[in-house]
Amino acid sequence: QKEVEQDPGPLSVPEGAIVSLNCTYSNSAFQYFMWYRQYSRKGPELLMYTYSSGNKEDGRFTAQVDKSSKYISLFIRDSQPSDSATYLCATILTGGGNKLTFGTGTQLKVEL
Amino acid sequence: DTAVSQTPKYLVTQMGNDKSIKCEQNLGHDTMYWYKQDSKKFLKIMFSYNNKELIINETVPNRFSPKSPDKAHLNLHINSLELGDSAVYFCASSPRASPSGEQYFGPGTRLTVT
Repeated sequence: QKEVEQDPGPLSVPEGAIVSLNCTYSNSAFQYFMWYRQYSRKGPELLMYTYSSGNKEDGRFTAQVDKSSKYISLFIRDSQPSDSATYLCATILTGGGNKLTFGTGTQLKVEL
Repeated sequence: DTAVSQTPKYLVTQMGNDKSIKCEQNLGHDTMYWYKQDSKKFLKIMFSYNNKELIINETVPNRFSPKSPDKAHLNLHINSLELGDSAVYFCASSPRASPSGEQYFGPGTRLTVT
């Protein structure tokens, strides 16, 4: 079992839809949770990071963490075609080199 | 200006050859990383250096050797390349002072071994 599980998709939604992307993780010691966006043939780009349970909002993006159920979510409001990319969740154990553990990524396509 | 840069962007080579990939960051970060992304897009850490000191060394064949001449550079040398080494290799960096350890990635080097 991978430490971070993520549905690979692909997920296809119409423009303007609310998108929900989810991950689960197995190690309760993970402390920080991140979402990266990766466009085709580009490097991952950090979108947001959160610490502990709760919500964090940045524009159209909301990251949510529920540590009791080991569940991480990213919501995208008013989705745009430019949001079409692969979204990677990641967790981290600080100390010991800050090793990032990634999910496999969810491919999102926002259609006109 | 590019924050984390890698050269070359594409690398096509034959089995058995030795090749190097270079990485530079101009963010003033103390920690740098190498990741491998396989054909299924799974990103896995290989190495991490903090201020030229190796701090993470995952289970990677010893044909792979990272070298950090200074804290702004982290190179990856691969000996005796094999078909299974074909992947995209990403360099990343993070500020040591950041509590979350968030990492910033380069554009990747697509390595194809024939």
